Amino acid sequence: GAVVSQHPSWVICKSGTSVKIECRSLDFQATTMFWYRQFPKQSLMLMATSNEGSKATYEQGVEKDKFLINHASLTLSTLTVTSAHPEDSSFYICSASWQGAINQPQHFGDGTRLSIL
Amino acid sequence: DAKTTQPPSMDCAEGRAANLPCNHSTISGNEYVYWYRQIHSQGPQYIIHGLKNNETNEMASLIITEDRKSSTLILPHATLRDTAVYYCIVRVASNFGNEKLTFGTGTRLTIIP
Repeated sequence: GAVVSQHPSWVICKSGTSVKIECRSLDFQATTMFWYRQFPKQSLMLMATSNEGSKATYEQGVEKDKFLINHASLTLSTLTVTSAHPEDSSFYICSASWQGAINQPQHFGDGTRLSIL
Repeated sequence: DAKTTQPPSMDCAEGRAANLPCNHSTISGNEYVYWYRQIHSQGPQYIIHGLKNNETNEMASLIITEDRKSSTLILPHATLRDTAVYYCIVRVASNFGNEKLTFGTGTRLTIIP
């Protein structure tokens, strides 16, 4: 089945640092990638949708200058948390899908746990 | 996308069938029912999806009522590894691959040894 890989799986940084998270589709071309955030004991909240080669579409309340998304190729999207602060500590998850087969499901990475000290 | 309602938690004995209900009374004719699960500290895993017919795969069965207002996910022989949060999501039909998934609070299923 379709495989999505996220890296790193865990990162601990000092406040003020920028952190980059990578999301790769290993065996398919991801025309669309999604970025979610999940706080403890809560559900996944969609942050943004990115289509290859175009600017990401951010959900209401998500700061586009804070969370930079790049989707320059069909197999890689990156999320950069700029000047991270403790309130940005969360579980970040990406998913990917491709244009084509109708109603094919999104495939998720295993997430990145970000802790800002 | 239509809102779904699921019980917050359920227990099931190991080896028995786990039946997870979902209500989606406002589902539209072009919306599919998807099920995902999330094991602790991992990303969600796709399980199954359907429109109006019952569906079965190697992981589970999906039973959708005739009026499509509710569905049940069935794990036929639950194991301890099936302990997870299960999400029922409805989503419009498309082949563009860019439709959002809106996650609710899901059902926390605990398999009891």
